[in-house]
Amino acid sequence: EAGVAQSPRYKIIEKRQSVAFWCNPISGHATLYWYQQILGQGPKLLIQFQNNGVVDDSQLPKDRFSAERLKGVDSTLKIQPAKLEDSAVYLCASSLPRGSMNTEAFFGQGTRLTVV
Amino acid sequence: AQSVTQLDSQVPVFEEAPVELRCNYSSSVSVYLFWYVQYPNQGLQLLLKYLSGSTLVESINGFEAEFNKSQTSFHLRKPSVHISDTAEYFCAVSWSTGNQFYFGTGTSLTVIP
Repeated sequence: EAGVAQSPRYKIIEKRQSVAFWCNPISGHATLYWYQQILGQGPKLLIQFQNNGVVDDSQLPKDRFSAERLKGVDSTLKIQPAKLEDSAVYLCASSLPRGSMNTEAFFGQGTRLTVV
Repeated sequence: AQSVTQLDSQVPVFEEAPVELRCNYSSSVSVYLFWYVQYPNQGLQLLLKYLSGSTLVESINGFEAEFNKSQTSFHLRKPSVHISDTAEYFCAVSWSTGNQFYFGTGTSLTVIP
């Protein structure tokens, strides 16, 4: 089975520019997550979707970050404008609904963002 | 408050020696527990998980973890490590009331030849 796909793998931008990341989850996974992983830290949940609805975006800096999952499959995470402290790896993950015995999060390889 | 703590940020260990990576959580509801491994420049891969049933869970590459409800811990152990086990290890918790996954700060395991 195909895994979680993310693109691009790497991105370098200047501060105040905008950037977008794309994620395609595992087929059939209704839940999709975006995590931010700063160097030396654990992944921090930014936003969680259930189908095309937002379940949790409490840690998403909404003044500059936005995310959408219009058709309940692919998702896009956008940063506008970027700051130096946004330099991190952005991980996308997907999972089956609660109650499934395979209820773990499956991760993509991530997008490494460097803001200069 | 609900949280997950990994007490050791770095653990160096000699090849073929045993290792334990510690993970503690706090929660007022029942939990599901996971260990993920991250190799350089890669995403996270599930190592093992505890959902219910037997409190001792094992992975295919020799790691095991035991869910201890009274001590709110889920420590990861391996009796004999290999060079290839060098990686970052993350403990994660998912609470039964939701489907979010929360991660600890990670433990960097370095196996020394």
